[in-house]
Amino acid sequence: EPEVTQTPSHQVTQMGQEVILRCVPISNHLYFYWYRQILGQKVEFLVSFYNNEISEKSEIFDDQFSVERPDGSNFTLKIRSTKLEDSAMYFCASSEEGFGELFFGEGSRLTVL
Amino acid sequence: SQKIEQNSEALNIQEGKTATLTCNYTNYSPAYLQWYRQDPGRGPVFLLLIRENEKEKRKERLKVTFDTTLKQSLFHITASQPADSATYLCALGRRGGYQKVTFGTGTKLQVIP
Repeated sequence: EPEVTQTPSHQVTQMGQEVILRCVPISNHLYFYWYRQILGQKVEFLVSFYNNEISEKSEIFDDQFSVERPDGSNFTLKIRSTKLEDSAMYFCASSEEGFGELFFGEGSRLTVL
Repeated sequence: SQKIEQNSEALNIQEGKTATLTCNYTNYSPAYLQWYRQDPGRGPVFLLLIRENEKEKRKERLKVTFDTTLKQSLFHITASQPADSATYLCALGRRGGYQKVTFGTGTKLQVIP
């Protein structure tokens, strides 16, 4: 069964460092998303991406965050200068349509020290 | 502001019984509502979607109801099994535009053998 894959599964970084989280969405999906979940809290929307551009972003997704689809398969989330409060599980998701089931990856746990 | 509320306390239920989870929302007019299952340290897994013009949806042992007047959805698992133990997330999707799903905090279900 097709699945969304994410790397790395866990990354530890120092505050102020840049981090890139990578995702390979399901191949025939057109819509891509990043969500995050701080430990013990709810899953929060960060950004949606369609047709090679951001379609919507939340207030969490400030200038420190960026997304890119550098080739036909990868979808990346970059955090330019990490802060302690960026520590969370980051989930990539994709969907075939702009409506309906979201397929999530297993997440990348980011720990900022 | 928009609010999606789920039972914050864990729900413990005896194996074989029906588990009923509640999702209430305010200041929101969703076009559809989804339920996901999340196991510890894993990504959410889609279970069911119900649209605003639908009252009830079933899938195997799962049943979802959606009352837009009460602004409430109920999620039922019949003949519950220990393997159903997980956190269940309610997620609302808005009308129009690209998909932006907003998640509730989730309810942790524990099925006791």
